Amino acid sequence: KAGVTQTPRYLIKTRGQQVTLSCSPISGHRSVSWYQQTPGQGLQFLFEYFSETQRNKGNFPGRFSGRQFSNSRSEMNVSTLELGDSALYLCASSLKAAGLAEQFFGPGTRLTVL
Amino acid sequence: KQEVTQIPAALSVPEGENLVLNCSFTDSAIYNLQWFRQDPGKGLTSLLLIQSSQREQTSGRLNASLDKSSGRSTLYIAASQPGDSATYLCAVRAQGGSEKLVFGKGTKLTVNP
Repeated sequence: KAGVTQTPRYLIKTRGQQVTLSCSPISGHRSVSWYQQTPGQGLQFLFEYFSETQRNKGNFPGRFSGRQFSNSRSEMNVSTLELGDSALYLCASSLKAAGLAEQFFGPGTRLTVL
Repeated sequence: KQEVTQIPAALSVPEGENLVLNCSFTDSAIYNLQWFRQDPGKGLTSLLLIQSSQREQTSGRLNASLDKSSGRSTLYIAASQPGDSATYLCAVRAQGGSEKLVFGKGTKLTVNP
């Protein structure tokens, strides 16, 4: 069974631009969560989607948004990029919504903002 | 607010040694605890998941324990190998609120041949 896939793997953008990241969960998984990883802050929760609905959201500004499609694929969008948005963005999928379910992570998208 | 701490931040051992990585968390209201491995520049690989009602889980040379009442977990790696070199992350799934995974900063393990 294929794992979680994320595209693109690497991105370079300039300040003020916007970016869209994509995540395809493991087949049959309906929950997708997004995390941001930086050297200073570590891994921080962005949001979780389940059956096309945002269930939970972390403490990030409104420039960070996401959505989930009927096939469970998810996209994350960051508008008006800032230098501090440079990070590894990780997507995780699970069979059920948060709680008891084990999460499986993708390889991440490395975003560099210049 | 749930906080997860991992000690030590870095660990270097000779090949073949048995070792223990520590994780502590401040709020015992958790669904489960998960140990991950992360290689440089890569995503997270799930190693073990322990539900809050369980005391330990084993997979191959790995054994993870959970003491929810004291807010502690350990990851035991037997007969370490150079291929075990990576950063090991502990994360707890908080009950209530966003039910997000709260991560520690990790322990960077180096196993020397």
